[in-house]
Amino acid sequence: EDQVTQSPEALRLQEGESSSLNCSYTVSGLRGLFWYRQDPGKGPEFLFTLYSAGEEKEKERLKATLTKKESFLHITAPKPEDSATYLCAVQAGGSEKLVFGKGTKLTVNP
Amino acid sequence: DVKVTQSSRYLVKRTGEKVFLECVQDMDHENMFWYRQDPGLGLRLIYFSYDVKMKEKGDIPEGYSVSREKKERFSLILESASTNQTSMYLCASSGYRVHNEKLFFGSGTQLSVL
Repeated sequence: EDQVTQSPEALRLQEGESSSLNCSYTVSGLRGLFWYRQDPGKGPEFLFTLYSAGEEKEKERLKATLTKKESFLHITAPKPEDSATYLCAVQAGGSEKLVFGKGTKLTVNP
Repeated sequence: DVKVTQSSRYLVKRTGEKVFLECVQDMDHENMFWYRQDPGLGLRLIYFSYDVKMKEKGDIPEGYSVSREKKERFSLILESASTNQTSMYLCASSGYRVHNEKLFFGSGTQLSVL
């Protein structure tokens, strides 16, 4: 069974304090790994797709990386507006569905 | 701008009622999805559809049905609402048959069943 585990469940940072969120997965033939951001009371918003080990993608203060067993979302010098829940999801080869992790709730204090 | 619109932001229903949740997308996407999101359980797929009048069961279809009569509209139906169906319901769409990347989500419907 395909599984996605995100850690930590919650993370508090001071503004400017860099850190990383982890997404570990077990899947039969990874087709893609996805990162989404979700603000309170809103639907998830797409951030990145990673397809193969070694791939990296960046957007502003966020950088996503992928290995054969996990993905990291690195947040460099975060700002309070980066506060949100970050969701990781995987799509297995031969499957049309995404399997989501439970998310990491990030709070950045000014 | 891309838009997935869910008809209600908050909904309160009684046990046993038939409930309709509506979702409309304006992107001419083929694929549409219904998820529910519960604290501690994350997002779980209920049903999805790849084309008009097509539907596929997700991971938790029991107690739900769907309807897709037009490409832009995907409805989730709770035949007889129960308290364990109290949840946040999220509709999503995407334009790819194989890759589900760039799922576009609506803002969600918070359903309470009393």
